[in-house]
Amino acid sequence: EDKVVQSPLSLVVHEGDTVTLNCSYEVTNFRSLLWYKQEKKAPTFLFMLTSSGIEKKSGRLSSILDKKELFSILNITATQTGDSAIYLCAVDPVRGAQKLVFGQGTRLTINP
Amino acid sequence: ETGVTQSPTHLIKTRGQQVTLRCSSQSGHNTVSWYQQALGQGPQFIFQYYREEENGRGNFPPRFSGLQFPNYSSELNVNALELDDSALYLCASTSSGGTDTQYFGPGTRLTVL
Repeated sequence: EDKVVQSPLSLVVHEGDTVTLNCSYEVTNFRSLLWYKQEKKAPTFLFMLTSSGIEKKSGRLSSILDKKELFSILNITATQTGDSAIYLCAVDPVRGAQKLVFGQGTRLTINP
Repeated sequence: ETGVTQSPTHLIKTRGQQVTLRCSSQSGHNTVSWYQQALGQGPQFIFQYYREEENGRGNFPPRFSGLQFPNYSSELNVNALELDDSALYLCASTSSGGTDTQYFGPGTRLTVL
C-alpha cells in the first residue's frame, strides 16, 4: 500500500526561525512529489518535485527531493506568522493521473 | 484564488441520509478529483473523473458515487451516511487528464449527526 509519512506532526517556533519539514514515502510507482499549504480549507500548491537533488525555491521556501532515500524536505527561512498553517506532502504514484496520496500533514505555528 | 468553487460551504446531515456536494472546476480543466479529509488527517483520494468517465477510485465503498458534466462541473453523492463520513470534502481540478498540477477548491464541511 502506498504510504506517505510526515514529521514532525506539529511544530511551534518563533518568528524569524528556520524550519525543516520532512516527508518520506513508499509507493509502488513514483511520478512526482508535491507540497501544499493549507491555512483554512483549500490546500494551495507550493512545489512539484520530480527529479532528485534539484532544489526548488519560492521566496523563503525551498524544497528538495531524494529519490534514492525516498524523502523530501521543505525549508522555510525567516519564518513569519503568516507561515502558520498545515503543510501537506503528497505523492503522485500513477503516471498521468494525479491521484494523490497525502501524508498526515505538519501543523506549523509561528509565534511572534 | 484557484478558480475552483464548491457548494455548499457547510452541511449538517443525520445518519442514514443522502448528500450531494458540488464542484465547479476551473475553466478548461477536464479532470476532477474528490478527496475526503477527516479532522487531523491528510486528504484521502475518493475518485477521479476525466471527460465524464470515472478514471480511478480509492478505497471507498460504492455508496460514494460521482458525476462529471460536460461543463466540467461535478458532483459527489454519498448514500446512507455514517458518522465517520463527517469530514472536509475537497475537489481538485486539472487539465490534460491529470498530468498538470491539481488546484483545490475551498471544500465542503460535512457533519453527520
